[in-house]
Amino acid sequence: EIVLTQSPGTLSLSPGERATLSCRASQSITSTFLGWYQQKPGQAPRLLISATSTRATGIPDRFSGSGSGTEFTLTISRLEPEDFAVYYCQHYGSSRKTFGQGSKVEIK
Amino acid sequence: EVQLLESGGGLVKPGGSLRLSCAASGTAFTGYTVNWVRQAPGKGLEWVSSISAGGVYIYYSDSVRGRFTISRDSADNSVYLQMKSLRAEDTAIYYCAREIPGTPFDHWGQGALVTVSS
Repeated sequence: EIVLTQSPGTLSLSPGERATLSCRASQSITSTFLGWYQQKPGQAPRLLISATSTRATGIPDRFSGSGSGTEFTLTISRLEPEDFAVYYCQHYGSSRKTFGQGSKVEIK
Repeated sequence: EVQLLESGGGLVKPGGSLRLSCAASGTAFTGYTVNWVRQAPGKGLEWVSSISAGGVYIYYSDSVRGRFTISRDSADNSVYLQMKSLRAEDTAIYYCAREIPGTPFDHWGQGALVTVSS
């Protein structure tokens, strides 16, 4: 089973700053099968990115994804107030889907 | 608009049983695999189980295999999670989410809270 490790656990930033979140896989994975979700308190997760870098419908272009092999990154170019949330990466390329433990982006 | 709605959550004693339902609007489940994902209080997301569009392929996480059973009823566009021998560590919000195999979960329900406590 592939294990995803996200870092940092918490990122404290101000609106307008750039956020860079990391997701490391325990073994090399196909980039087609790596996605990112955003979750706000009291809400269900929302799909942001599929296939490492493809934004989901309605997701603004300040969100971007990149990576390959075992190292993947979600970047938020300029944080808006609504972007402060928890972000999860997911591998969905096998029968057992796995999530990272999450990275929280909080207001500094 | 795609809508998924979970129901059946509640308080149950350790060792007890509960059945969760996930109902989809219209044809939202047609052709889709459906998953259950849970989130313990203050914790991250944990994939629990999935069932393929035709109900042939079923998978469970190690933490629930042998205790939970997933099923679906195409006639009423619903997916179920029968949970038995519940433990305190099963306490969580349970979400249903749909996927096309090989793609991420594009729609999620709002979640159902399951609390296992004496």
